[in-house]
Amino acid sequence: AQSVTQPDIHITVSEGASLELRCNYSYGATPYLFWYVQSPGQGLQLLLKYFSGDTLVQGIKGFEAEFKRSQSSFNLRKPSVHWSDAAEYFCAVGALSNDYKLSFGAGTTVTVRA
Amino acid sequence: SQTIHQWPATLVQPVGSPLSLECTVEGTSNPNLYWYRQAAGRGLQLLFYSVGIGQISSEVPQNLSASRPQDRQFILSSKKLLLSDSGFYLCAWSLDIAKGILNSPLHFGNGTRLTVT
Repeated sequence: AQSVTQPDIHITVSEGASLELRCNYSYGATPYLFWYVQSPGQGLQLLLKYFSGDTLVQGIKGFEAEFKRSQSSFNLRKPSVHWSDAAEYFCAVGALSNDYKLSFGAGTTVTVRA
Repeated sequence: SQTIHQWPATLVQPVGSPLSLECTVEGTSNPNLYWYRQAAGRGLQLLFYSVGIGQISSEVPQNLSASRPQDRQFILSSKKLLLSDSGFYLCAWSLDIAKGILNSPLHFGNGTRLTVT
């Protein structure tokens, strides 16, 4: 079965600084990888997704993620964060053979300071 | 466009009381439906998913059950709540997987915050 690890529970970043959130997955075949964002008290919104092709994926809100098979990673990045990026971020991995059941990481909470 | 409705937004229930959380999807047919629970520091745990009316798959044995009485309605229930049932419950839907997994991302409702006292 697939699994996801998000090593950072909480990250604080200054507004305008760059942000990188780590995600490591475990899956034997080619994974389907996703990043979701959750604002306080809200549901999750899809930021970006990856299955194949270009390993650098562009998403909404200026986010991008890079798939590195050799490192089993799918890290999320943003060059310059805005105060509105303060939220919880979840990495998820899925497999077509698994009826589209996603396994989510524990999440990383991002705090943006002025 | 498709929308998902989940209610109530918050709920406080005593231990031993029943539970019914409802989720409906509009603007699509035959969606896959999911119930997730989010506990602090533990991410999202898939509880149930359904690929059609009356078809429910349980991921984690527990005090909860799910039903899908109509194509776009998904209900999470319990006969007697436990303290450990407290959490943030999220309903989600996706298109039929046959349409392609990258075209079928999960779409989440706004969740229900359940506190069992």
